[in-house]
Amino acid sequence: RKEVEQDPGPFNVPEGATVAFNCTYSNSASQSFFWYRQDCRKEPKLLMSVYSSGNEDGRFTAQLNRASQYISLLIRDSKLSDSATYLCVVKEGYNFNKFYFGSGTKLNVKP
Amino acid sequence: NAGVMQNPRHLVRRRGQEARLRCSPMKGHSHVYWYRQLPEEGLKFMVYLQKENIIDESGMPKERFSAEFPKEGPSILRIQQVVRGDSAAYFCASSPLPDAGRETQYFGPGTRLLVL
Repeated sequence: RKEVEQDPGPFNVPEGATVAFNCTYSNSASQSFFWYRQDCRKEPKLLMSVYSSGNEDGRFTAQLNRASQYISLLIRDSKLSDSATYLCVVKEGYNFNKFYFGSGTKLNVKP
Repeated sequence: NAGVMQNPRHLVRRRGQEARLRCSPMKGHSHVYWYRQLPEEGLKFMVYLQKENIIDESGMPKERFSAEFPKEGPSILRIQQVVRGDSAAYFCASSPLPDAGRETQYFGPGTRLLVL
């Protein structure tokens, strides 16, 4: 069983659409949660952290449901530049930082 | 405020040669991680190091691969006797010491290894 699971997609959406990605994790003791974005042939970049209360950054909203052990990312008013692979990341550990990456969900925003 | 630095950015080796990939973490970061990414695939964890200490090498192939993070200088991922299947992008990431729990990783631009 994988530590972090994501739907690989691709999600093909028109510009302006709202799209949501989900991610599930297996370890209920996981501490912290993040969404990264990876463009083709580039390094992953931190998009946002995910807090228990949910958090929003412009068109992006992240939610955490600890009881069901899933994390979501909502993108509103999709732009062509949002096309990328979105990686769900879960952190464990107290005396060290161990990160688990999902395999990523690919988003294609079409004109 | 330099980010994570990796060099070389591109490396070409012939089968049987050695490849050395270097990573300098962000200033103030003491933890380094190495990942491998094959074309069209996800990131695969390889190894997690602190200075002079390997914390987790569960993702490292048993043979030909080694990693170190010395007291001085960058972290090195070493691949001996490379084979074509080693061709991939190798990403390094760094994070600070565990503290408030919200620390995350920051990635370098990667080294693209091509084995001919």
